Amino acid sequence: DAGVIQSPRHEVTEMGQEVTLRCKPISGHNSLFWYRQTMMRGLELLIYFNNNVPIDDSGMPEDRFSAKMPNASFSTLKIQPSEPRDSAVYFCASSSRRTYGYTFGSGTRLTVV
Amino acid sequence: TQLLEQSPQLLSIQEGENLTVYCNSSSVFSSLQWYRQEPGEGPVLLVTVVTGGEVKKLKRLTFQFGDARKDSSLHITAAQPGDTGLYLCAGRVSGYSTLTFGKGTMLLVSP
Repeated sequence: DAGVIQSPRHEVTEMGQEVTLRCKPISGHNSLFWYRQTMMRGLELLIYFNNNVPIDDSGMPEDRFSAKMPNASFSTLKIQPSEPRDSAVYFCASSSRRTYGYTFGSGTRLTVV
Repeated sequence: TQLLEQSPQLLSIQEGENLTVYCNSSSVFSSLQWYRQEPGEGPVLLVTVVTGGEVKKLKRLTFQFGDARKDSSLHITAAQPGDTGLYLCAGRVSGYSTLTFGKGTMLLVSP
């Protein structure tokens, strides 16, 4: 298995532009998580899906952030419009009922200028 | 407030030294995990502990879960430069489906 695949690895965009981050979880994993990592706040859970259904989005900062999981093999996190304070590394992770742990992707480093 | 407090935040040592990093909380966890994150990559699971007082060993790494399941420690014997990374603890509180992560301890091991 190739693991959790995220794209792009790096994204630099101007303030006000729309940004879409993509994630392909491990096949057979039924839970998918989006995290944001910064030096100040560490890893913060934004939203998680179980069997493609959003379960808890209380970590989503504001209405500018949205996430979808149209099928078991794909999820997106969209920021519209983006702001400089959104600059961070965004991670996607997946897990299954049989495992305790999460498998993380390599992350997307987002810079909003 | 941070649910999981990790200490120290930064640890810089020489190759061959021993070290211990800590993960503390006022909450009880049904399970606790340790991850290592290398620059430019996502965290990678090292171990899961579920029983109070449990000790697990992974080569030169020893993980301990506190008797009350509120804290944990990671001890590394004879550290090597390859141990360099951010060590994160993550706990699952009973009744919650997701993991809560600490901010991590950044370990730098110099040759």
